Formats: sequence, C-alpha cells, structure tokens
Amino acid sequence: DTGVSQDPRHKITKRGQNVTFRCDPISEHNRLYWYRQTLGQGPEFLTYFQNEAQLEKSRLLSDRFSAERPKGSFSTLEIQRTEQGDSAMYLCASSKTGGGSPLHFGNGTRLTVT
Amino acid sequence: DQQVKQNSPSLSVQEGRISILNCDYTNSMFDYFLWYKKYPAEGPTFLISISSIKDKNEDGRFTVFLNKSAKHLSLHIVPSQPGDSAVYFCAASKGSSNTGKLIFGQGTTLQVKP
Repeated sequence: DTGVSQDPRHKITKRGQNVTFRCDPISEHNRLYWYRQTLGQGPEFLTYFQNEAQLEKSRLLSDRFSAERPKGSFSTLEIQRTEQGDSAMYLCASSKTGGGSPLHFGNGTRLTVT
Repeated sequence: DQQVKQNSPSLSVQEGRISILNCDYTNSMFDYFLWYKKYPAEGPTFLISISSIKDKNEDGRFTVFLNKSAKHLSLHIVPSQPGDSAVYFCAASKGSSNTGKLIFGQGTTLQVKP
C-alpha cells in the first residue's frame, strides 16, 4: 500500500492559464474522489469516479473544470482559464466500493493563482 | 448552508487528560459519520467512524459518541498525547454505501501540551 499520490505538490500559475493535476490512487481501490479545501474550511466534494465512470459532479465544479479517469486507474483534474478564486488545496482520495470504506487521501496539490 | 458544524476552532488540553471535540449537523438524512485527522502539509487521515444505528464506537484511545436526537457527535481522546496535536474534521454522508461523498465540518485544531 503506497498510498494516494498527487502531482505536483504545489502549482503557481497566472490568471487565465490552464493547469492539470494528476492523482494515482491506491491500486486496488476502484473509487476515486476529488475534493477542494480552502483556508479555514473543511474539504468540499467536487466529483467522483467508480472505475472509469464519472458518477457525480458537484455544482462547485464549473464548466472550466474537467476530470478524467481514462483507464480506471490514475485521474487528472484540469482547470481552464484559472481565476484567483480557484486558489485552494486540491485533494484526491480513493476507496474500495462498499459500505463503510473510508477515504484515503493524498497530500494534495496546492494551487496559487496570481 | 453549513450542514456540518464544528463550532470550536481550537482546543488546548494537557497531556494525559481527555480531549473532547464536538460536531453538530443539521441534515437528518445523514446516517454515517466519520472523524479525520490532518497534520500540516498532509492529507486528512481516517480516524474512526460510526453508523447511525449505533450511539458509540470505540477504537483504542478514541471513542465517538452519536446523539441522533440532538444531531450531535463528539470525539473523545483519552489519554491525550502530544502527537494527537492536529486539525480534526468531522464528516457526514447519506447512505452507508456512499461514504465517499462526505460533507465536512470546518475543523477543530487540537493542541496537546506536554
């Protein structure tokens, strides 16, 4: 169990640029989640996949955000035309299917939009 | 609309004493509750959970209590240790089969003094 891996750890970008984050879940986990955390708040759900299917998206996920999990393994989260309000910690988590399976979080990607 | 609230931003206790962290929720559809611990620069780590069919769950030094009528849960840590110093998030979900889509509270920072 190597844990959930996220890359990069930090990203600084200028407003209007596109950014992409990668998440590698725990290998036997078929569910993968993206959350966003801002200062002083708890993580907020963005979207989740079961295998390669994206099953739910939060209304927080505007049209500028897109997530993929092409082969049911790693996932990418892309933000187009970044805005200063996108600055946050983006957390990826994975779990097994089934009741009571807790989420295992990665260490996150901290995005700063200048 | 904050459905899960942790009204105490911070708590300080002496090593060896009990730490009690509180959490309130408003949505009666929540039926599964979890506590996560977060150290700086790391993702949240699962600590303990409880289903709404129970009112107590214990794991070593950690006990979670659920009062459904009051829509309140608490985490007790006994005895507290300096390594327990972290941010603690409570989280809730609807449906034990959907425990990955979590609603988090804002977090409580626990400091355990040696």
